[in-house]
Amino acid sequence: DAGVIQSPRHEVTEMGQEVTLRCKPISGHDYLFWYRQTMMRGLELLIYFNNNVPIDDSGMPEDRFSAKMPNASFSTLKIQPSEPRDSAVYFCASSKTAGDPSTTTQYFGPGTRLLVL
Amino acid sequence: GNSVTQMEGPVTLSEEAFLTINCTYTATGYPSLFWYVQYPGEGLQLLLKATKADDKGSNKGFEATYRKETTSFHLEKGSVQVSDSAVYFCALDPDNYGQNFVFGPGTRLSVLP
Repeated sequence: DAGVIQSPRHEVTEMGQEVTLRCKPISGHDYLFWYRQTMMRGLELLIYFNNNVPIDDSGMPEDRFSAKMPNASFSTLKIQPSEPRDSAVYFCASSKTAGDPSTTTQYFGPGTRLLVL
Repeated sequence: GNSVTQMEGPVTLSEEAFLTINCTYTATGYPSLFWYVQYPGEGLQLLLKATKADDKGSNKGFEATYRKETTSFHLEKGSVQVSDSAVYFCALDPDNYGQNFVFGPGTRLSVLP
């Protein structure tokens, strides 16, 4: 299995520009999560989907952030307009509801390192 | 509410030293407990997990035992290597559905040759 795939791995942009981060979850997983990691705040859950439907977006910082999941194999996180304080590592993770705690876990992608100048 | 507390780092050890990273949790119900490891420049990888009291998770020489009486899940390794240098995250899944994970702040480990 290829694991969770994220692109791009690195992104440098200027303040005010639109940024789109992409994620392909593990095939067969029905949950997808977007996290943000910074030195100051650690790992924060931004939003998660179940069967392509957003379930909890309470962690999305503000209206500049939006996420979509048009199908089971693709999700995007968009920031428009971007600001320097958005600089962070953004992780996508996926999991499969199995009903058995021994097999339920979240698998993380390698992350996108975003720098907004 | 649900929360995870980890010992603050960084932790610096010499190669072959014994490692303990403390983790305690607060949760309603019976959560599953996890340790994830993040190597430099990479995402989080599952290191080990335990799903019920007294279970021991183990992987790559690391161990952690689910202690319900002390609400703890301390990570241990008998002899660390330079390649173990990473950030270690303790986490819990409060309802065992793989959704509402709660992560600790992470503990950075540096192992010197």
